[in-house]
Amino acid sequence: DVKVTQSSRYLVKRTGEKVFLECVQDMDHENMFWYRQDPGLGLRLIYFSYDVKMKEKGDIPEGYSVSREKKERFSLILESASTNQTSMYLCASNGQNYGYTFGSGTRLTVV
Amino acid sequence: GENVEQHPSTLSVQEGDSAVIKCTYSDSASNYFPWYKQELGKRPQLIIDIRSNVGEKKDQRIAVTLNKTAKHFSLHITETQPEDSAVYFCAATQNPYNFNKFYFGSGTKLNVKP
Repeated sequence: DVKVTQSSRYLVKRTGEKVFLECVQDMDHENMFWYRQDPGLGLRLIYFSYDVKMKEKGDIPEGYSVSREKKERFSLILESASTNQTSMYLCASNGQNYGYTFGSGTRLTVV
Repeated sequence: GENVEQHPSTLSVQEGDSAVIKCTYSDSASNYFPWYKQELGKRPQLIIDIRSNVGEKKDQRIAVTLNKTAKHFSLHITETQPEDSAVYFCAATQNPYNFNKFYFGSGTKLNVKP
C-alpha cells in the first residue's frame, strides 16, 4: 500500500518565519505535488516535481519554494510566512499510470 | 491550461436517495477523470475513475459517466448512506502525459441525512 507521509498534522508559525513542510513517499514515484486546500477553492497546485532536483511551478507558486534532493522526499518552503498562507497543505505522489495518493495533510496557521 | 468546474458546492440528500455531482472541463486533450472522497479530517481517497475511451463505469453504488463531446462528467451515488457524507472532488488530466498534473474542481460537500 502506497504511503505518503507528511511530517506534521498541525503547525502554528509566526508571520515572517521560514517554514518547512516535509513529504515522504515510499513507492518510488516519479511525480510529487504540493497543493493547498481552502474552502470553496478546492485543491490548488503550488509546485510539482517530476524528478530529483526538478521542479515546476503550479498555479499559485508565489511565496513558496520547493526542494527535491531525493526521489522520496519533496519539501515545501514558505520563505517568509504570511497570514494568507494559513491553509491545509496536501502532498501527493504518483507514478506514470496511477492516480494520486495523498498525504494526511498539514494544517498550517500563521499568526 | 485545463479548467475544471464542479457543481453543486453543497448537496444535501435524504438517506436512500441518489446524489449527482457534475463537473465540466475545458481541455479536450484531457483523458483521465478521477473522483476523490475526503472525509472530515482525512486525506482525499480515490473512489472511482474513468478514461476517455469509456462512457460509463460502475462500482457498486457509485458510477461515473463521461460525455467527451460536451466535456462533462458526473458522479452518481445511489442508495446514499450517512457514511457517504464527505467532500467530493473531481479532477481531469492527460494521463500519462503532462506529468499527471491533476486539475481539481472546487469540491462538493455532500450531507446525507439519516
